[in-house]
Amino acid sequence: QVQLVQSGAEVKKPGSSVKVSCKASGGTFSSYTISWVRQAPGQGLEWMGRIIPIFGTANYAQKFQGRVTLTADESTSTAYMELSSLRSEDTAVYYCTRLMVYASSNWFDPWGQGTLVTVSS
Amino acid sequence: SSELTQDPAVSVALGQTVRITCQGDSLRSFYASWYQQKPGQAPLLVIYGKNNRPSGIPDRFSGSSSGNTASLTITGAQAEDEADYYCNSRESSDNYLVFGGGTKLTVL
Repeated sequence: QVQLVQSGAEVKKPGSSVKVSCKASGGTFSSYTISWVRQAPGQGLEWMGRIIPIFGTANYAQKFQGRVTLTADESTSTAYMELSSLRSEDTAVYYCTRLMVYASSNWFDPWGQGTLVTVSS
Repeated sequence: SSELTQDPAVSVALGQTVRITCQGDSLRSFYASWYQQKPGQAPLLVIYGKNNRPSGIPDRFSGSSSGNTASLTITGAQAEDEADYYCNSRESSDNYLVFGGGTKLTVL
């Protein structure tokens, strides 16, 4: 059974960067597609992007283009999300999740436990 | 960009049936998946594909689709079903994914 375990909470200054990790266990990491989703306090879910570790290719939601970088290390079965030029509006819980795609269907399962990133001066 | 629209809040009496809907142009081409989220917890997949439930999800949860609308139906709602529910699908471009704004379900 696939499990995703994320790194701990972070407090960052505006203008800085944050890098969140997501370690997978079970299954074959290189065959996954890992997506990142964030949720601001009291708000809904927002898809940020996805990466296919075996290819190292990523694509990003337009909103985050140029500010987010997704990477993956197959040797440690760990995916990373780095968000730069942080502002207060980036305060949110960041989730990693495995994206499954089949024909006209896609779904996210399982999910990491979430990492709270707080941006504050 | 594509959008998925959900009603912000829905309520249902205990034991009754409730339908939560999700509208968007991309749903004419792609199925929605549905997620349950309780306070302080990560989202949990409850329905994917045409009408598939992951292991452990009660069979009172079902999914359907017609035109540009996907629906999540809970038949015989229980107190523990009180949560936020989100739909998700691919955008028509197929390279991007999008979530609906979420529906807060209250079980009375």
